[in-house]
Amino acid sequence: DVKVTQSSRYLVKRTGEKVFLECVQDMDHENMFWYRQDPGLGLRLIYFSYDVKMKEKGDIPEGYSVSREKKERFSLILESASTNQTSMYLCASSRPYEQYFGPGTRLTVT
Amino acid sequence: AQSVTQLDSHVSVSEGTPVLLRCNYSSSYSPSLFWYVQHPNKGLQLLLKYTSAATLVKGINGFEAEFKKSETSFHLTKPSAHMSDAAEYFCVVTRGDFNKFYFGSGTKLNVKP
Repeated sequence: DVKVTQSSRYLVKRTGEKVFLECVQDMDHENMFWYRQDPGLGLRLIYFSYDVKMKEKGDIPEGYSVSREKKERFSLILESASTNQTSMYLCASSRPYEQYFGPGTRLTVT
Repeated sequence: AQSVTQLDSHVSVSEGTPVLLRCNYSSSYSPSLFWYVQHPNKGLQLLLKYTSAATLVKGINGFEAEFKKSETSFHLTKPSAHMSDAAEYFCVVTRGDFNKFYFGSGTKLNVKP
């Protein structure tokens, strides 16, 4: 079975802190994604990566950056966390015709 | 451009009655379409997918969906709701290269005893 793991299930950070969210997949997928999920808005794409060191902005990249140094790992970075970044963050990897999701990280910025 | 509209933000049914969750899409390409389910405090799970083969797609847990190109719809149905079906459901469209997946805003299904 494909497994996508995220480093934390719940995270509480202070405004201005630098935050790292880690995602690891074990199926050698080339594509990996970071989304945020907010009530009534569905999932919105922050960034995706189609290969090591390759990335592309999604619909809401402002305030975020990403890193993909190894194929299996895709990191989301909040350079200076703000309260409007309080959300559920979901990582996914994909092969043709299917995306696989991690359990999510619920981030609260106070 | 791709987009997805889920026509109902909340649907409430009684246990044992049919379920209909509506989804319309727009796509500049021949689309692939998906339905995902998310139970409370869980990740997203794939229910079913349409990838240009049969237009009636069967998924897990008795769900199915029909791709109707003329209506640009991909509605999700189940003949008889179960309490365990209570969850949020997302309709998703992707273009052919699968580099981007476009999500609807979700439909919360409530199942009453």
